[in-house]
Amino acid sequence: EDQVTQSPEALRLQEGESSSLNCSYTVSGLRGLFWYRQDPGKGPEFLFTLYSAGEEKEKERLKATLTKKESFLHITAPKPEDSATYLCAVQADFGNEKLTFGTGTRLTIIP
Amino acid sequence: DSGVTQTPKHLITATGQRVTLRCSPRSGDLSVYWYQQSLDQGLQFLIQYYNGEERAKGNILERFSAQQFPDLHSELNLSSLELGDSALYFCASSVGGGRALADTQYFGPGTRLTVL
Repeated sequence: EDQVTQSPEALRLQEGESSSLNCSYTVSGLRGLFWYRQDPGKGPEFLFTLYSAGEEKEKERLKATLTKKESFLHITAPKPEDSATYLCAVQADFGNEKLTFGTGTRLTIIP
Repeated sequence: DSGVTQTPKHLITATGQRVTLRCSPRSGDLSVYWYQQSLDQGLQFLIQYYNGEERAKGNILERFSAQQFPDLHSELNLSSLELGDSALYFCASSVGGGRALADTQYFGPGTRLTVL
């Protein structure tokens, strides 16, 4: 069974204090690993898709990386508007396109 | 704005009742997915439709059913509602088709269901 574990569950940072969120996964044949951002009561907002180990993608203050067992979401010099829950999800097995999600990291950036 | 629309935004109903949640996918997307998000379990996959046909099922209860119509909008029907069915229900859409690389699923704003 596919499994996704995110850590830490919650993270509080001062504005400008860089850090990383972790997503470790167990799947049979990774087709893609996704990062989403979710604000309270809203739908997940797509950030990145990573397909193979060694791949990296960047968007503003966020950078996602992928290894064979885990992914990291690095946040550089965060601002209060980066506060949200960050969700990691995997898609595995050709023919079944469901996403298996982790429980998320709740990130709070303090001004 | 992801381009995926869901109605209603909020739904309050009583135990034993039946409700219908509606989703319109992004233009050009053929796959629709339904997910349930509760406080204790996170986002859980319920069911996927591709171009009108059921394609994959998750841990969807027998009291729940879904369908995708010729215009590609989808409806999720929840019946004999229980207190534990209270949750956020999200619809997502993607191009679909089972391509070799995963295509991105874009999520709607969700329907908050409260069962009293």
